[in-house]
Amino acid sequence: EPEVTQTPSHQVTQMGQEVILRCVPISNHLYFYWYRQILGQKVEFLVSFYNNEISEKSEIFDDQFSVERPDGSNFTLKIRSTKLEDSAMYFCASSEVRLVVAYEQYFGPGTRLTVT
Amino acid sequence: GENVEQHPSTLSVQEGDSAVIKCTYSDSASNYFPWYKQELGKRPQLIIDIRSNVGEKKDQRIAVTLNKTAKHFSLHITETQPEDSAVYFCAASSGTGRRALTFGSGTRLQVQP
Repeated sequence: EPEVTQTPSHQVTQMGQEVILRCVPISNHLYFYWYRQILGQKVEFLVSFYNNEISEKSEIFDDQFSVERPDGSNFTLKIRSTKLEDSAMYFCASSEVRLVVAYEQYFGPGTRLTVT
Repeated sequence: GENVEQHPSTLSVQEGDSAVIKCTYSDSASNYFPWYKQELGKRPQLIIDIRSNVGEKKDQRIAVTLNKTAKHFSLHITETQPEDSAVYFCAASSGTGRRALTFGSGTRLQVQP
């Protein structure tokens, strides 16, 4: 069964550094998402992406964050200048595109980001 | 925006008993309600979902009910097994236009053998 994949599984970075988290969505999916989960807390929506542009973003997704689909398979999340509070598990998800209705979102295994 | 409340935060049951987890949502435009199971250190896995045009959906030992008038939905697990132990998250989305999932705070289910 196809799955969303993410790399790296764990990233350690120093405060102020840039990080890029990578995701390969399920191949026939066209809607992509990033979520984050601070340890022990609930999953929080960051951004959704469709047709090469941001579809929706939360208040967490400020100017420090950006997303890109650099090629036909990868979907990336960049944090320009990491802060301690960016430490979290970052999940990529993807879903099919269906007219009118929402469709299931499938999550990747996550990238644990540790900012020191 | 949408707000999803989930109860209880922890639930301990004996193997074979039933477990019920409840969620309420605030946005009447929400029409898609998935449930995810997350084992320690793993990804959230979709286990069942329901759309607002139905009131109940069942898949083997798992069922979900939705009351749109009261804006609440529930997960029911029957004949619980130790492998059901995990954190369960409910979520809500309005679907068209807004696909972002708003998650509840999670329920840690412990099934005692």
